[in-house]
Amino acid sequence: AQKVTQAQTEISVVEKEDVTLDCVYETRDTTYYLFWYKQPPSGELVFLIRRNSFDEQNEISGRYSWNFQKSTSSFNFTITASQVVDSAVYFCALSENSEGGGNKLTFGTGTQLKVEL
Amino acid sequence: GAGVSQSPRYKVAKRGQDVALRCDPISGHVSLFWYQQALGQGPEFLTYFQNEAQLDKSGLPSDRFFAERPEGSVSTLKIQRTQQEDSAVYLCASSTGLAGGPGQFFGPGTRLTVL
Repeated sequence: AQKVTQAQTEISVVEKEDVTLDCVYETRDTTYYLFWYKQPPSGELVFLIRRNSFDEQNEISGRYSWNFQKSTSSFNFTITASQVVDSAVYFCALSENSEGGGNKLTFGTGTQLKVEL
Repeated sequence: GAGVSQSPRYKVAKRGQDVALRCDPISGHVSLFWYQQALGQGPEFLTYFQNEAQLDKSGLPSDRFFAERPEGSVSTLKIQRTQQEDSAVYLCASSTGLAGGPGQFFGPGTRLTVL
C-alpha cells in the first residue's frame, strides 16, 4: 500500500525565517505523482505543486521551492523568508491508480506551520 | 463559478438521520473524487467517478455511505443513519482525468457534525 509520512506535526518560526517541511513516501508504482497542498484556516485545500516521478529537477516558485529525491523517497518543501500569511496546514500527497483508472490521492497527516511576528 | 463548489458548507445532524452532501465540479471535468477528513488528519479517499460511472468505491467506510453522479456532473454523497464517527469534513475534488493534467482541484468541503 502507498504511504506518505509527514513526521513534523507542528512547526513554529518567526517571520522571515526559512522553513522546510519534510515528506517521505512509499510506493511500488514506477510512475506516480507527488503533490503539496496548503490548507489555511478557511479549510479549502489549495494546490501548490505537482511533480512527476520521472522529473527529479528541483523547482522554485517565488519563495517556495521543492526538493524531490527519488533515492530517499522524499519530496521536501521549503519556504524562504516566511510570512504570517504562510501559516496553515501543509499536506504532502501521492497519487496512485484507482481501481477504475483514476488517480486517487494518499495524503500525509499534515504539518501545521505557525509563522509569528 | 470557476471552482469546485459544495453545499451545504455546514451540516448538523442528529444521530440516525440521513444526510446528503452535494458537489458541483469544475465544468468539463471528467473525474470526481470524494474524500473524508477527520479532525487533525489528512483527507482519506472515499470514492471516484469517471463521468457517471463509479469506478472505485473502495474507501467507503460502510454500506451506509452511498455516492452517485447520474449525469456525469453534479455528485451527491449520502450517508444513512449517521453515527458520531461520521463527523468530519467531506471534500470533493475534480480533475480533467488526463494523465498530463494539472491534478485535482478541491472544493471548500462540507463540515458534518453528528450529535
